[in-house]
Amino acid sequence: QSALTQPASVSGSPGQSITISCTGTSSDVGGYNYVSWYQQHPGKAPKLMIYEVSNRPSGVSNRFSGSKSGNTASLTISGLQAEDEADYYCSSYTSSSSYVFGTGTKVTVL
Amino acid sequence: EVQLVESGGGLVQPGGSLRLSCSASGFTFSSYAMHWVRQAPGKGLEYVSAISSNGGSTYYADSVKGRFTISRDNSKNTLYLQMSSLRAEDTAVYYCVKGGAAIFDYWGQGTLVTVSS
Repeated sequence: QSALTQPASVSGSPGQSITISCTGTSSDVGGYNYVSWYQQHPGKAPKLMIYEVSNRPSGVSNRFSGSKSGNTASLTISGLQAEDEADYYCSSYTSSSSYVFGTGTKVTVL
Repeated sequence: EVQLVESGGGLVQPGGSLRLSCSASGFTFSSYAMHWVRQAPGKGLEYVSAISSNGGSTYYADSVKGRFTISRDNSKNTLYLQMSSLRAEDTAVYYCVKGGAAIFDYWGQGTLVTVSS
């Protein structure tokens, strides 16, 4: 199972909005509404930010939103803040009854 | 509060074995699938293995199939990963992860496994 494709890096100024893409195939992202997103700060464990494409767990800021079109899912961070600087990974359920992660995106707040 | 605490990591020689444990609390352990996810130094996340709530079904990534064995003891609220024939490329932080409905909703702090001579 090949990793889902994400841009290596995305940057933005405080207050701006950024979008991270996550491209897979019809066997994963395109085939199921089981795309989730994780935030990871350096030296820390990943944290669930979005599940089932667009749902936010309790406690996650509403500045984080998710969507999907075809084989590509997206995570949008609006009102970018310094604390949002981290690595972000998408994940999808697959037709092999397993899961695959994205390649990861480093978000930099300028 | 959900807590997942991994242990058992360390330095091991190539070809050696190691058993990771994950002690769970704060939720009904026997009701949830559990997963192991690893992250090599400076690299991305890799899905390694999973086990169903009752232990009757397991999954392994091709990279570890035949070398790693996942198991659980629901009476002890503990998840295990037995790793053998370890290779340098198995060097990583191994995370114990609680499974939800197709999501990884809680992660442990991770335990570092280093395979080197």
